[in-house]
Amino acid sequence: DAGVIQSPRHEVTEMGQEVTLRCKPISGHDYLFWYRQTMMRGLELLIYFNNNVPIDDSGMPEDRFSAKMPNASFSTLKIQPSEPRDSAVYFCASSQTFGGVTGELFFGEGSRLTVL
Amino acid sequence: QKEVEQNSGPLSVPEGAIASLNCTYSDRGSQSFFWYRQYSGKSPELIMFIYSNGDKEDGRFTAQLNKASQYVSLLIRDSQPSDSATYLCAVKGNTPLVFGKGTRLSVIA
Repeated sequence: DAGVIQSPRHEVTEMGQEVTLRCKPISGHDYLFWYRQTMMRGLELLIYFNNNVPIDDSGMPEDRFSAKMPNASFSTLKIQPSEPRDSAVYFCASSQTFGGVTGELFFGEGSRLTVL
Repeated sequence: QKEVEQNSGPLSVPEGAIASLNCTYSDRGSQSFFWYRQYSGKSPELIMFIYSNGDKEDGRFTAQLNKASQYVSLLIRDSQPSDSATYLCAVKGNTPLVFGKGTRLSVIA
């Protein structure tokens, strides 16, 4: 299995630009999670999907952030317009059940975003 | 607001020693508890989970849970330089995993 695949691995952009992060979960996993990691705030849950349906987006910081999951094998996280405070590593994770029977989330390698 | 607290470290231990990592959580409804390891520049990976009060051992790792005190710990015996990483405590109830900010462990050869 290829694992969770994220792209791009690194993104440098200027304030005000649109950023789109992409994720392909592990085949057969019903849950997909988007987390953001910063030194100050640690690993924060932004939104999660079950069977392609958004379940809880209360962690999305503001309306500039949006996420979609058009099918079981693809999700996007979009930031428009981007701001320097959005600079972080964004992780996508998937699991076969809610948090997994063992709680194991399978993380992608992350997308490191820098907004200048 | 569900919170998971960890000492940020760094925690430095000599090679071969026991490393002790601690975590407290605020939600008494939490049901299961996890330790993830994250190497610098990499993604988190699960190393242990525990559901019941007491100790759970897996190789050099022992997880300890005390629900009454809302306290979880991870002991690493015979610490190796390859154990140097950030250790994230995570807690699950009826919501997805809530992570602490992590404790950075440095094992000195």
